[in-house]
Amino acid sequence: KNQVEQSPQSLIILEGKNCTLQCNYTVSPFSNLRWYKQDTGRGPVSLTIMTFSENTKSNGRYTATLDADTKQSSLHITASQLSDSASYICVVSPMDSNYQLIWGAGTKLIIKP
Amino acid sequence: DTGVSQNPRHKITKRGQNVTFRCDPISEHNRLYWYRQTLGQGPEFLTYFQNEAQLEKSRLLSDRFSAERPKGSFSTLEIQRTEQGDSAMYLCASRPSGASTDTQYFGPGTRLTVL
Repeated sequence: KNQVEQSPQSLIILEGKNCTLQCNYTVSPFSNLRWYKQDTGRGPVSLTIMTFSENTKSNGRYTATLDADTKQSSLHITASQLSDSASYICVVSPMDSNYQLIWGAGTKLIIKP
Repeated sequence: DTGVSQNPRHKITKRGQNVTFRCDPISEHNRLYWYRQTLGQGPEFLTYFQNEAQLEKSRLLSDRFSAERPKGSFSTLEIQRTEQGDSAMYLCASRPSGASTDTQYFGPGTRLTVL
């Protein structure tokens, strides 16, 4: 069964600190893996996208990694800011689907001043 | 603003009433998706349109739910005889076909509360 699991479920860190969020998936084969940021009460916004052949992608202070062998991805946030407080969702696109995305439940990140 | 828009942003209704939500996708995006999201969970796929054709429906979309995209532009999602379990955020997303990536662009969502 295609699944995406994320850890931790929630995380609280101090402003300025770094953090790493984890994503494990069982989707195979897949065409790409995304990380979305979702502010409370808003729709998700794409942060990074990696195909199965890529192993790292950066977007400002966000760096995503992908290990297709172990089926793991991580999202590293550097020098966190209060505006980083949000849910971060890992999403995998199965190779054989035109529409279906497999969504993780997300990690809720809270940045404290 | 040329992003995906959804109306209303919030809807409170009594159990048993019908509700209708609207989604206006990004102009020229011919693919449109509806999702449902409950607190602490990722979005769950409901249905997908390519132009005006509804190509796929999740089994989550019971017969009380119906979605339309009559002219291939905006879409509506109707829920009949609402139940308390329908309370959720309903998200709409769009994307162009033939794009090099299949990133979906999401609207702000409609939060439904069924009393």
